[in-house]
Order: sequence, then C-alpha cells, then structure tokens
Amino acid sequence: DVKVTQSSRYLVKRTGEKVFLECVQDMDHENMFWYRQDPGLGLRLIYFSYDVKMKEKGDIPEGYSVSREKKERFSLILESASTNQTSMYLCASRLAGGITGELFFGEGSRLTVL
Amino acid sequence: AQSVTQLGSHVSVSEGALVLLRCNYSSSVPPYLFWYVQYPNQGLQLLLKYTSAATLVKGINGFEAEFKKSETSFHLTKPSAHMSDAAEYFCAVTAYTGRRALTFGSGTRLQVQP
Repeated sequence: DVKVTQSSRYLVKRTGEKVFLECVQDMDHENMFWYRQDPGLGLRLIYFSYDVKMKEKGDIPEGYSVSREKKERFSLILESASTNQTSMYLCASRLAGGITGELFFGEGSRLTVL
Repeated sequence: AQSVTQLGSHVSVSEGALVLLRCNYSSSVPPYLFWYVQYPNQGLQLLLKYTSAATLVKGINGFEAEFKKSETSFHLTKPSAHMSDAAEYFCAVTAYTGRRALTFGSGTRLQVQP
C-alpha cells in the first residue's frame, strides 16, 4: 500500500513562530502536493512539486514556502505563522506520467496558531 | 482555468435511500473529473474518475458518476445508502492545460440517518 505520512497530526504554535510540516511518501512518486482544507472552502492548493528541487505555486502560496531536497520528502514551511493560517494541511503524492493518476493523501496535520 | 461547484454543503438521506451529490464543472478544454471521499479523521481517497473513456464511471463501494458534457455535470450517485457512507465528498477537476494539479470543490458532507 502507498503510504503518505505527515509527521505531526496536531500542532499548536504561537504567532510569529516558524513552522515546519513534513510529509514523506514511500512509493517513489515524483509529484507531491500541499493543500489546505478549511470548512466551506474545500481543499486549496498551496504548492506542488513535480520532482526533486522543483516547485510551483498553487492558488494560495502567500505566507508559505516549500522544500523538496529528496524525492520522498516534501516540506511545507510557514516562515512566520499567523492566526489565519490555523487550518488542516493535507499532503498528497502521485506518480508522474499524466494528470489523471490517483492522488494519495496523508491523514493531515491540524495546525492551530495562537 | 478549471473549477468545480458542489451544490449543497450538507446532504442527509435515510439508510437505503438514493444518494445524489451534485457537481458542476467549468473548463474551456476537455476536463478530467474525480470524486474523492474523506472519512472522519482521515485523508482523502479516490472513489472514481472520468478520463474520457466512458461517460458512466463506476467506483468503489457501489458509487457511480455520469459525465454529461451538455450539462457540465459529474454528479455522484449510489442506489442505496449505507451508514458507512457517512463522510465528506469532494469533486475535483484537472485538464491538460495549465498546471497539472487538481482543483477541488468545497465539499458535501453526507449524513445517513438510520
């Protein structure tokens, strides 16, 4: 089974802190994604990466950055956390070779910024 | 750019009744459409997808969806609801123009009454 693991299920941080959300997949997928999930808004794409050291902005990249140094790991970074970044963050991965491939999701990281 | 609209943020049905979750898409090029399901405290998993091979698509757990170009719709149905179907359902779209990431709808929470 494909496994996408997000390092922390629940985090509580203070405004202004630097926050790292880690995501690791074990199926050698080239593509990885970070989405943010909010009630009534569904999932919104923050950043995605087609391969190692590649990244592209999604719909809501402001206040976030990402790192993809190794194929299996895709990190989301909040440089200076703010209360409006309180949300559920979902990581996903997909094989390369086409846009119709299945996305495999982690269980999510619920971040609260106080 | 592509987008999807899910009509109804909450749908409640009785066990054994028909499930109908609505999704309309917008795309200037041929779209590829997906339904994902999220059970409580879990990530999303793929229910089914339309990739232009057949307009009626069958998925897991007895769900199916029909692509109707004239109506720009991709509604999800199941003839008989089961208590275990209670979850949040997301419609998503992508296409071979622009970025190669899914755009999700706002989600529909399905409640199944005994």
